[in-house]
Amino acid sequence: DAGVIQSPRHEVTEMGQEVTLRCKPISGHDYLFWYRQTMMRGLELLIYFNNNVPIDDSGMPEDRFSAKMPNASFSTLKIQPSEPRDSAVYFCASSLRAGTSTDTQYFGPGTRLTVL
Amino acid sequence: GQNIDQPTEMTATEGAIVQINCTYQTSGFNGLFWYQQHAGEAPTFLSYNVLDGLEEKGRFSSFLSRSKGYSYLLLKELQMKDSASYLCAVRDIYNQGGKLIFGQGTELSVKP
Repeated sequence: DAGVIQSPRHEVTEMGQEVTLRCKPISGHDYLFWYRQTMMRGLELLIYFNNNVPIDDSGMPEDRFSAKMPNASFSTLKIQPSEPRDSAVYFCASSLRAGTSTDTQYFGPGTRLTVL
Repeated sequence: GQNIDQPTEMTATEGAIVQINCTYQTSGFNGLFWYQQHAGEAPTFLSYNVLDGLEEKGRFSSFLSRSKGYSYLLLKELQMKDSASYLCAVRDIYNQGGKLIFGQGTELSVKP
């Protein structure tokens, strides 16, 4: 299996621009998670989906952030407009299930976002 | 609410044993995970505990005490490649699905 795939790996943009991050989960996994990691705040869950449906978006920082999962093999995280404080590494993760306690989340390589 | 505490950084010597502690407070409990993260890379799964006791997996072991809200990760026969950040994460039973709350991570430096 190829694992969780994210693109782009690096993104540098200017303040005010729209940024779209992409994720392909492991085939057959029902759950998809978007995280943000910074030195100050550590690894934070932004939103997660079950069978393409958003379950908990309480971690999405503000209305500038939106996430979609149009099908089982693709998800996007969009920031519009972007701000310098959005600079972070954004990870996507997936798991086979999550209702049972043993299910492990597998992380993608991350997208390092820099907003100038 | 939920709170997870772990030391910010630790240093150990190659070949030695190191124990990384994690304490947590949750409104419910449905499992504790340890992840390893090398600089510039993604977190990778190391171990999982849901019942009290020790889980051993090669050089790595993880212990859990639910009554004390405490876990530790034990690394034996340390190697230079074990230098990484170690993240403790807890799943709360009252959360829908698989939401994990991560600690800030413990940065381990292994010296020759």
